Amino acid sequence: DAGVIQSPRHEVTEMGQEVTLRCKPISGHNSLFWYRQTMMRGLELLIYFNNNVPIDDSGMPEDRFSAKMPNASFSTLKIQPSEPRDSAVYFCASSRDRGNTGELFFGEGSRLTVL
Amino acid sequence: QQPVQSPQAVILREGEDAVINCSSSKALYSVHWYRQKHGEAPVFLMILLKGGEQKGHEKISASFNEKKQQSSLYLTASQLSYSGTYFCGTGPQWYAGKSTFGDGTTLTVKP
Repeated sequence: DAGVIQSPRHEVTEMGQEVTLRCKPISGHNSLFWYRQTMMRGLELLIYFNNNVPIDDSGMPEDRFSAKMPNASFSTLKIQPSEPRDSAVYFCASSRDRGNTGELFFGEGSRLTVL
Repeated sequence: QQPVQSPQAVILREGEDAVINCSSSKALYSVHWYRQKHGEAPVFLMILLKGGEQKGHEKISASFNEKKQQSSLYLTASQLSYSGTYFCGTGPQWYAGKSTFGDGTTLTVKP
């Protein structure tokens, strides 16, 4: 079975540019999460969707960040305009919230570098 | 508020044991443990839902003391493959999605 698929794997951009990260969750999973990982702040939950609806976006840093989930098989995280402090690895994860293991399945991450 | 993990780093020889602790200032319903190897995604190890219950994964087990709001991960007879950063996630709900992760404990197992 295919796991969580993220793209791009690596992105280098200049400050002020728009960045769009993409995620395809595992089929049948109805919860999707975006995390950001940095050395300074560790693994932070940015936003969480359930059945395509944003449930908790309290972790989104500021208005420059936005996330959408137009259908059960696709989500985007957009940063506009990007800043150097946004440099991080962004992970997408999915889960079956009616399962009994509580397991999150992570994608391989998108490493963003903002110059 | 994120849980606090200790120690921050540990170095072992193959075959030695290690304990990683995770504590929270908030009441917990669940604790989740993940392992992340360098440059890779975190991988789920186990979830603990009930106070005092222990679960196991190969030679890795964990306990959850709900009263003390603490969990400990036990790595027995460590193998080289155990090297990585271990994260605990603590949350108010039974599934991992709302978890807040600790800063991680880096485990290095040497031959």
